[in-house]
Amino acid sequence: DIQMTQSPSSLSASVGDRVTIACRASQSISRYLNWYQQKPGKAPKLLIYAASSLQSGVPSRFSGSGSGTDFTLTISSLQPEDFATYYCQQSSSTPITFGQGTRLEIK
Amino acid sequence: QVQLVQSGAEVKKPGASVKVSCKASGYTFTNYYMHWVRQAPGQGLEWMGIINPSGGSTSYAQKFQGRVTMTRDTSTSTIYMELSSLRSEDTAVYYCARVRDRSAYTPFDYWGQGTLVSVSS
Repeated sequence: DIQMTQSPSSLSASVGDRVTIACRASQSISRYLNWYQQKPGKAPKLLIYAASSLQSGVPSRFSGSGSGTDFTLTISSLQPEDFATYYCQQSSSTPITFGQGTRLEIK
Repeated sequence: QVQLVQSGAEVKKPGASVKVSCKASGYTFTNYYMHWVRQAPGQGLEWMGIINPSGGSTSYAQKFQGRVTMTRDTSTSTIYMELSSLRSEDTAVYYCARVRDRSAYTPFDYWGQGTLVSVSS
């Protein structure tokens, strides 16, 4: 199975900050990497797919980059509604696996 | 608009089975693969398997092989996930999710609201 490791596991930041979350795959997954946002009590929401493509309706302050084994999610200017948990997911091979999550909290 | 509506919360005893449903609307049901993902309390996301609503073929995560069965009913645009031999570790919110494109392993763009399954004696 492909292991997905996110860093950091938690992060405190302020409104307006630029934030970057990293995701590393245990083997190359090309660009089969997706990012989700999850708020408490809600289903995950797709933000970025294929490493860097912005899902329809997602604000442009979200961006993704990377290929192979190393990927990043960047939020250019944090908004109050961005405080949530973020997960990366690889869809290169089964079983599909997720990172452990990064909890983004208000400083 | 696309909607995935899941069945309500369940409380089960260890050793029992549970069957969760996910009714799709707002698109052509048979055109998009569907997945099941679960999330234990305070934990991350865990993929369980995939079903092709068109032909009914399935693929399960090794961890759940022998305990999970995914089926579909095209007449009601509904998929089902049945998990047997429940144990306390199966306590989780179970989500159905639709793929974004028409191939099996593309990202999940629509999710159900989740179904809490609690396993306790």
